[in-house]
Amino acid sequence: EIVLTQSPGTLSLSPGERATLSCRASQSVSSSYLAWYQQKPGQAPRLLIYGASSRATGIPDRFSGSGSGTDFTLTITRLEPEDFAVYYCQQYGSSLWTFGHGTKVEIK
Amino acid sequence: EVQLLESGGGLVQPGGSLRLSCAASGFTFNNFAMSWVRQAPGKGLEWVSAIGGGGFTTYYADSVKGRFTISRDNSKNTLYLQMNSLRAEDTAVYYCAKLSGLLSATHTRYIDYWGQGTLVTVSS
Repeated sequence: EIVLTQSPGTLSLSPGERATLSCRASQSVSSSYLAWYQQKPGQAPRLLIYGASSRATGIPDRFSGSGSGTDFTLTITRLEPEDFAVYYCQQYGSSLWTFGHGTKVEIK
Repeated sequence: EVQLLESGGGLVQPGGSLRLSCAASGFTFNNFAMSWVRQAPGKGLEWVSAIGGGGFTTYYADSVKGRFTISRDNSKNTLYLQMNSLRAEDTAVYYCAKLSGLLSATHTRYIDYWGQGTLVTVSS
């Protein structure tokens, strides 16, 4: 099973600031089969990024994903009020999908 | 518009059984793999199971293997999760999720749509 470790656990930032979220895998993620999801309280998750760097339909371009192998990053260039949420990475390259434990982006 | 509507959650005693259903609409159901993902109260997401479009290929997390069974009825556009031998640690919101393609195409195995979830509580 591929274990995904997200850091930091919590990120305290102000609107307009840049957010950098990390997701590190215990072994290489095949062909960058990594996705990022956003979840707000009381809501289902929403797909942001797939294939490590492809934005899902309707996702603003302030969200970007990068990385390969075992190290992946989600960047939000300028935080909007609606971006404060929990973010999860997920690998889907093996027959056992796994999620990271999440990074909470909170208002400073 | 893709819609996924879960039902069947509720309170069940340890050792009991429950069957969750997910009614899908807005897409050609049998062309897509489906999955269940759960989230314990205040915790993160945990993948539970996945099934191919034809219903013949299934995958399970180690935590539920041998106790849960995923299935689908393509004539009814419905996904199921039969949960047996339930434990307190199975308490969670269970989300039905659509994958972006087929299980055979690894690059499409990410979740592109989620239902709103149904709560399962295992307690005496």
